[in-house]
Amino acid sequence: GAGVSQSPRYKVTKRGQDVALRCDPISGHVSLYWYRQALGQGPEFLTYFNYEAQQDKSGLPNDRFSAERPEGSISTLTIQRTEQRDSAMYRCASSLDMDEAFFGQGTRLTVV
Amino acid sequence: AQSVSQHNHHVILSEAASLELGCNYSYGGTVNLFWYVQYPGQHLQLLLKYFSGDPLVKGIKGFEAEFIKSKFSFNLRKPSVQWSDTAEYFCAVSRAGNMLTFGGGTRLMVKP
Repeated sequence: GAGVSQSPRYKVTKRGQDVALRCDPISGHVSLYWYRQALGQGPEFLTYFNYEAQQDKSGLPNDRFSAERPEGSISTLTIQRTEQRDSAMYRCASSLDMDEAFFGQGTRLTVV
Repeated sequence: AQSVSQHNHHVILSEAASLELGCNYSYGGTVNLFWYVQYPGQHLQLLLKYFSGDPLVKGIKGFEAEFIKSKFSFNLRKPSVQWSDTAEYFCAVSRAGNMLTFGGGTRLMVKP
């Protein structure tokens, strides 16, 4: 596609359930980034990949959060045993190299 | 750890007024600096960036920003705003690539 695609756009889940958020980057982009944005705040870095290798996961808040990019293209961010504090906009971005990052529309996660 | 401060959370201007949004960062080393914009209902888009060279950077849609190293600042300016500039603006820094640290954002409303 022309841009970064994230799905679902909206996700409502019950506390304790696992959720998987998907990111389809721009074709050919080497790097893929995940960010989380709480209401009224700026995006916060979670993790990033170069190709299939996870380069930095220092921003993942705890071990309930994990991410993968097995074939160096689509990435999945998984949150296990969701909690209300996980409610946020989850944003994915991709870049060709160290240059401009292109963001997707985001997934709005609500944990009830 | 690096941090980014945006001093104005909400700004309301009339069309044709001049705009300046403040951004200060805390990091003593070399940084890359960015301004992103999010129009209502859309994804984050890059307005402009500074890596090195001329500290006065020109971006899209008539925006510019000035990097003042001694003040750790990267303020965004536009001489004459339009109603279509209504959006949320985010300042961001990175030490490398697109592992960005964002400020809290400034919501700009331009009255027609």
